[in-house]
Amino acid sequence: AQSVTQLGSHVSVSEGALVLLRCNYSSSVPPYLFWYVQYPNQGLQLLLKYTTGATLVKGINGFEAEFKKSETSFHLTKPSAHMSDAAEYFCAVREDSSYKLIFGSGTRLLVRP
Amino acid sequence: DGGITQSPKYLFRKEGQNVTLSCEQNLNHDAMYWYRQDPGQGLRLIYYSQIVNDFQKGDIAEGYSVSREKKESFPLTVTSAQKNPTAFYLCASSKAGVSEQYFGPGTRLTVT
Repeated sequence: AQSVTQLGSHVSVSEGALVLLRCNYSSSVPPYLFWYVQYPNQGLQLLLKYTTGATLVKGINGFEAEFKKSETSFHLTKPSAHMSDAAEYFCAVREDSSYKLIFGSGTRLLVRP
Repeated sequence: DGGITQSPKYLFRKEGQNVTLSCEQNLNHDAMYWYRQDPGQGLRLIYYSQIVNDFQKGDIAEGYSVSREKKESFPLTVTSAQKNPTAFYLCASSKAGVSEQYFGPGTRLTVT
């Protein structure tokens, strides 16, 4: 069965610093992987997705993620954090043979001025 | 603008009462989903529907019920049998054959 592990329930960075949010997955088939962002009391917004093809995926708001099959990882990065990036981020993998998504427990990103 | 609407944003109920949460989409998506979110946890799937008049239980369906009479609508009823109904409820939809889901703004339900 698929699963998603997000390392670190909270990550704190300074404004302008590199953002790195970690996601590892388990899947018995080539995975479809997603990153979503959630601002307080709002729904989730799709940041980016990996299905097939290029392993470096660019998303909205300057975020990108790299699919590394050998490491079963899909870490999310942004070169320079902005105060508006403060939110909760969820990694998800598509479940085998269906269109259900399995979500990680989330990482709350704090950006210090 | 196309999107997913959930109403109301905040909902308060007394223990023992059933309550129905609304979810409407005008994206022409075939599949719709209901998730529950609790503090510090990820999203847990309650029910999903891939076609009108058909739906399947997710991981935590006990104490909930749904209907899918129209493509655009997927209401969720939280029944009195749900032991701990206070949570943030999120509705999502997706195209058939496409994995990414699009989410509504959520309904925060408080039961006292």
